[in-house]
Amino acid sequence: AQKITQTQPGMFVQEKEAVTLDCTYDTSDPSYGLFWYKQPSSGEMIFLIYQGSYDQQNATEGRYSLNFQKARKSANLVISASQLGDSAMYFCAMRENNNNDMRFGAGTRLTVKP
Amino acid sequence: GAGVSQSPSNKVTEKGKDVELRCDPISGHTALYWYRQRLGQGLEFLIYFQGNSAPDKSGLPSDRFSAERTGESVSTLTIQRTQQEDSAVYLCASSLVGGRLTDTQYFGPGTRLTVL
Repeated sequence: AQKITQTQPGMFVQEKEAVTLDCTYDTSDPSYGLFWYKQPSSGEMIFLIYQGSYDQQNATEGRYSLNFQKARKSANLVISASQLGDSAMYFCAMRENNNNDMRFGAGTRLTVKP
Repeated sequence: GAGVSQSPSNKVTEKGKDVELRCDPISGHTALYWYRQRLGQGLEFLIYFQGNSAPDKSGLPSDRFSAERTGESVSTLTIQRTQQEDSAVYLCASSLVGGRLTDTQYFGPGTRLTVL
């Protein structure tokens, strides 16, 4: 069963504007972690932000913030003040407690327009 | 310090040949992961090593795939009798301790495997 769903195969945003990338997940484990990674054209996966299922506040890292809605099982990534260098694939991932693997979504390709 | 490195960066092979892919994790990282990424898709977990514990091989797609790790250092992923469907980017990641939800994985640049 698909555990991570990213419904937006591609997104466009104007430079300097904010953009939200959607991610929903499915788990019965009460303890889990959610991750967002950026994959530029070079292919390397770059860690952006982490949210724990028991965290009370939404995670933030610089221009990245995570809109965590636990009851809806969504963990959307918000990028503020988009830059041209933000153009890349973005992957949402989840790791359940006591599981070694991390499940990834299919990704969203973000293109920032000048 | 150095990040995760992988070699070769690109590998082209003929169907039926064996290939070995190498991963050097970040020094001091005890956990190591292998993933496969097919074109235009997300990552598929293959295998996980944690220290001297038995590896978690639950993601290996067939018995043609195997991996080894020497202690807490280099790992090799071997694909025997390669098939065209094995064509993908193989990504390696390492993390400090493994087994924790907050454990962030750091990825290497990947090896692009093409099976003709």
